[in-house]
Amino acid sequence: EIVMTQSPATLSVSPGERGTLSCRASQSVSSNLAWYQQKPGQGPRLLIYGASTRATGIPARFSGSGSGTEFTLTISSLQSEDFAVYYCQQYSNWPSFGGGTKVEIK
Amino acid sequence: QLQLQESGPGLVKPSETLSLTCTVSGASISRSSHYWGWIRQPPGKGLEWIGNIHYTGSTYYKSSLKSRVTISADTSKNQFSLNLSSVTATDTAVYYCARDAVPGLKYFEFWGQGALVTVSS
Repeated sequence: EIVMTQSPATLSVSPGERGTLSCRASQSVSSNLAWYQQKPGQGPRLLIYGASTRATGIPARFSGSGSGTEFTLTISSLQSEDFAVYYCQQYSNWPSFGGGTKVEIK
Repeated sequence: QLQLQESGPGLVKPSETLSLTCTVSGASISRSSHYWGWIRQPPGKGLEWIGNIHYTGSTYYKSSLKSRVTISADTSKNQFSLNLSSVTATDTAVYYCARDAVPGLKYFEFWGQGALVTVSS
């Protein structure tokens, strides 16, 4: 199983600031990497696939980068609705998720 | 608009079988090449993929759960189901059903709201 590790566990950011989330794979997953946003009581929402392609309806302030084993999700200017938990998921092999990064208001 | 809704008992006794159904509306599970999956999330923890099914009956399971998991589809009801046998407290989780975004690519575009299942006597 490919192990996905996310950091930091919690990111404290002020509204309007930039947030940078990291995800590392235990072996190369090429660009087979997705990012999700999850709010309390809701199912995850697909943000990014193919490491860098935004899903339908996702604002341009969300961007993904990386390949191989190192990936980044950047939120350029955090809005109030962006405070949530974010998960990365590889789909190079059978799916596995990272442990999540909680983005909280500083 | 594709929608998925999980249903089933919220409480299951240890050693028994957990059974959940996902009802799909807005699309037919038998008219596309998409895979339909189950993912779970223990309280306060991260996401864990359980397995996927294609309407033809092809299934793929997480290796560590394979001996206890069965996923099946009922195309006449536009539903697919999860059975997890010999449950313990560690199987307590919110269980989500989902559909992949692109047939065969194992990331998920559509998700249900989730169903909390507690394993307790």
